[in-house]
Formats: sequence, structure tokens, C-alpha cells
Amino acid sequence: EDKVVQSPLSLVVHEGDTVTLNCSYEVTNFRSLLWYKQEKKAPTFLFMLTSSGIEKKSGRLSSILDKKELSSILNITATQTGDSAIYLCAPTPSGTYKYIFGTGTRLKVLA
Amino acid sequence: NAGVMQNPRHLVRRRGQEARLRCSPMKGHSHVYWYRQLPEEGLKFMVYLQKENIIDESGMPKERFSAEFPKEGPSILRIQQVVRGDSAAYFCASSSSGGLYEQYFGPGTRLTVT
Repeated sequence: EDKVVQSPLSLVVHEGDTVTLNCSYEVTNFRSLLWYKQEKKAPTFLFMLTSSGIEKKSGRLSSILDKKELSSILNITATQTGDSAIYLCAPTPSGTYKYIFGTGTRLKVLA
Repeated sequence: NAGVMQNPRHLVRRRGQEARLRCSPMKGHSHVYWYRQLPEEGLKFMVYLQKENIIDESGMPKERFSAEFPKEGPSILRIQQVVRGDSAAYFCASSSSGGLYEQYFGPGTRLTVT
């Protein structure tokens, strides 16, 4: 059965800190992995990763995929209170359109 | 900006009633996905539709739940004879194509069954 584990489950940091969120997966015929940010509304797309070792960046956020280790990390540097959210990762098997979401990491950034 | 729209945003139903949730995909998107999020759980895939076709409904309960995406109008997720366990947030997502294209989510409909 396909499985996604995100760690830590929750995290509290202060503004300016750097955080690393982890996503481990066991997915048959892995194709891609997506990261989303969920505040009190719709999950917002952050990154799609398909190739191992290639870092994707968007401002203070970056992410990388390690297919050998079946994992991905999401880094946020110089955190701000607006980064407080649940961060979801979703690996996707090939031959299907289903995203398999983890339960997420709840990040709280204190001023 | 025509993002994914869902309505209603909040829906309260008594046990045994029917719930109808609507989703209008982003402009130019013809692929729609429905997900359910129970409290403290991740999003769970329910069904994937293209216009007038159900492509994959493997995540949808066999009874009481149905979905459609007609040629004209929004996609509808219908839950008949709701029970308390149906209380959840239901999210719709759309993409421009299936496969490798990312899905964009709507704001969700929070269903409460009393």
C-alpha cells in the first residue's frame, strides 16, 4: 500500500529561523512529488518535483527530491509569520492521477 | 482571476438529507478532482472527472456518493442520505490536463451533518 510520512508533525519557530520539512514515501511506480501550503483555505501549489537532485526555488522556499532515499525536503529560510501553515507533500504514482497526501507538517512561526 | 470556485463554502445538513457540492474549474481546465479531508487527516482522493466522463472513482464510497461533470456547468459531488461521518471538508481541484500537470485547489466546502 502506498504510504507517505511527513516529519515533524508540528514545529514552532521564531521569525528569521530556517526550517526543514521532510517527506518520505513508499509509492509504487513513483512519478512525481508535489508540495502544497495549506492555510485556512485551499492548498496552494508550491513545487512539483520529478527529477532527483535538482533543487527548485521560489523566494525563500526551496525543495529537492531524492529518489534513492524515497524522500523530499522543503526548506524555508528567514521564516515569517505568514509562513505559518500546514505543509503537505503528495507523491504521485505513474499511470494514475491520484495525489497521495501526507497528513502534513504544521508550522507555526512566532513574531 | 478565475481560480477554482466551490460553493457553498459551508453546508449544514441533517442526517438523511442530501448534500450537493459544486465546483467550477479554473478557466481552460477540463480535468476535475474531488478530495475529502477529515479532521486531523490528510486529503484523500475521491474521484477524477473530465467533461461528461468519470475517469477514476476508486476513492469514492460505493454507496450514497456520486459525481458528475456535465458538458455545461460545474462539477457536482452529491451525497445522498448524509450521515455524521460525512462531515468533512471537500476540496475540488482542476488541471489543464491529466498526468504531469499540477492541480489547483478551490477553497473547499465544509459539510457539517447534524
